[in-house]
Amino acid sequence: EAQVTQNPRYLITVTGKKLTVTCSQNMNHEYMSWYRQDPGLGLRQIYYSMNVEVTDKGDVPEGYKVSRKEKRNFPLILESPSPNQTSLYFCASSRYGQGETYEQYFGPGTRLTVT
Amino acid sequence: AQSVTQLDSHVSVSEGTPVLLRCNYSSSYSPSLFWYVQHPNKGLQLLLKYTSAATLVKGINGFEAEFKKSETSFHLTKPSAHMSDAAEYFCVVTGTASKLTFGTGTRLQVTL
Repeated sequence: EAQVTQNPRYLITVTGKKLTVTCSQNMNHEYMSWYRQDPGLGLRQIYYSMNVEVTDKGDVPEGYKVSRKEKRNFPLILESPSPNQTSLYFCASSRYGQGETYEQYFGPGTRLTVT
Repeated sequence: AQSVTQLDSHVSVSEGTPVLLRCNYSSSYSPSLFWYVQHPNKGLQLLLKYTSAATLVKGINGFEAEFKKSETSFHLTKPSAHMSDAAEYFCVVTGTASKLTFGTGTRLQVTL
């Protein structure tokens, strides 16, 4: 089954304790992206990647890191989480081509609480 | 630069009546536009997309949207609402192939 998986689905942590949220897709997609969803703000793009070793900042990259060492994986790293990073996080993937935008396939979401 | 404005944060309709969810966009490029739906406690699912072909786009579950360049709008419509349409709907614009901008969402409530 074609899918995007995220782990963990729920995470409660404390301020300053480094964490990683994993994202994996099995569709051989070039494009992967992370979003955070907050009430009244919709989804905001954190980082995106057009292919292995190619990443770029989205609208709200501060406090986050990403890496794309393999095509199927795109982990989101919070080096020193703070309470304002409490949010619902979505990973997504899609095909990629110059001048073309394809359907995004979303993971189930990770609800992160930072106390 | 690109942006998208969903004009209503909340829309309530009766079952069987038409649905209109409004979206205006701004883009420096020829935009691609999407509508996604999110049911409670679920991920997002693509409803439909516009990518410079026909201006009237048909999607899943009876939804459609019309791209109007002169009005910079991409409103989502459905002739007859069903209880299962209750969800949050997001309008999305992309002016380049890489960066997506989501609207803040419209929550659709369907009453009996």
